[in-house]
Amino acid sequence: NAGVTQTPKFQVLKTGQSMTLQCAQDMNHNSMYWYRQDPGMGLRLIYYSASEGTTDKGEVPNGYNVSRLNKREFSLRLESAAPSQTSVYFCASSETVADRGYGQYFGPGTRLTVT
Amino acid sequence: GNSVTQMEGPVTLSEEAFLTINCTYTATGYPSLFWYVQYPGEGLQLLLKATKADDKGSNKGFEATYRKETTSFHLEKGSVQVSDSAVYFCAHSSASKIIFGSGTRLSIRP
Repeated sequence: NAGVTQTPKFQVLKTGQSMTLQCAQDMNHNSMYWYRQDPGMGLRLIYYSASEGTTDKGEVPNGYNVSRLNKREFSLRLESAAPSQTSVYFCASSETVADRGYGQYFGPGTRLTVT
Repeated sequence: GNSVTQMEGPVTLSEEAFLTINCTYTATGYPSLFWYVQYPGEGLQLLLKATKADDKGSNKGFEATYRKETTSFHLEKGSVQVSDSAVYFCAHSSASKIIFGSGTRLSIRP
């Protein structure tokens, strides 16, 4: 039981390049999330998917797109990377978005640097 | 709007000291409350939770009580260890997402 997995662990991009961050969960969770973590700012929600086939914007969606490929997988795409997108990206999943006190399970993160 | 405020770090303590990390929240309704821990180079792990007023969440010697009257969920541990050094995040649930505090870095000296 791997939980939430993310690839790659590290990535360096040049400004303007594109890339996709991959995330998969094996807990049969309905909901999945993408966050970014920056020093002193905690976690900020980029996009989430309440269930397979749906996606919604979070707090900081600009410059990103997402795809909920199936129930297990939720990818994050940067179409034209900018230095402001240098951050650590976390994927998370939960049973449901409804408040039933389940909490979220996090992947190990992807450290992205844009030069 | 919905938010979580937790004490700024870093917090540095000696081994076996008593720990308190303060957390207060603003939310509509009756959210669930959480503490997450992040060890260096890792993702966040759910440490403990409470889903209704006066509930006490506990795990690994850590405790926090859901205080609706003061909208607080302070994290406590009676005797910290070097292995408790990490960043701790308080959070609460809203209708469709979880709101996180900015995190408190805890360092324990041997």
